[in-house]
Amino acid sequence: AQKVTQAQTEISVVEKEDVTLDCVYETRDTTYYLFWYKQPPSGELVFLIRRNSFDEQNEISGRYSWNFQKSTSSFNFTITASQVVDSAVYFCALSANYTGANSKLTFGKGITLSVRP
Amino acid sequence: SQTIHQWPATLVQPVGSPLSLECTVEGTSNPNLYWYRQAAGRGLQLLFYSVGIGQISSEVPQNLSASRPQDRQFILSSKKLLLSDSGFYLCAWSVRWMSEKLFFGSGTQLSVL
Repeated sequence: AQKVTQAQTEISVVEKEDVTLDCVYETRDTTYYLFWYKQPPSGELVFLIRRNSFDEQNEISGRYSWNFQKSTSSFNFTITASQVVDSAVYFCALSANYTGANSKLTFGKGITLSVRP
Repeated sequence: SQTIHQWPATLVQPVGSPLSLECTVEGTSNPNLYWYRQAAGRGLQLLFYSVGIGQISSEVPQNLSASRPQDRQFILSSKKLLLSDSGFYLCAWSVRWMSEKLFFGSGTQLSVL
């Protein structure tokens, strides 16, 4: 069974602060993928990143960075110098037992991030 | 480029009435198609997925059903809505035989009264 835990439910920061969104996952599979999606107030989920289980290299994309640690089963997401436009619900997701034909994701419950001006 | 269309954006229906939500994908062939429901505080729950025309898999028992009459069309239905069917419904697609990266529609907010 797969499980994704996002223990933080709501985070509020002031603009320009750094913020880290935590994600802990559980799976028995050795091959799996981890994702982060952003859901702005408009409702549509937007893909941010995918990381496979064999690639523990951290990734940085502009103000976004991701820290993948297999030893702690975590895939944390940090926003540096947050902006009001970062306000959204952020979902971490896991896909394991990859067969290609049955692409399914297990989502966490999401973290509501509010960035105040 | 690929696009996904989902409608309506909002819907208010009385208990016991039927439901039909439609989703279409453009610009790709043979996509995997999905229906998710987002209830407050419960994250995203996969309801149905389809790997081809007429092929539907249900993830959870419920009052809803899904159909895929055409390659790029996915429909979520109910004969009689329940109060518990209220929620935000999202359609999504992914490229078959490749990564699980999902592309989501804009969602339908369903309120059953």
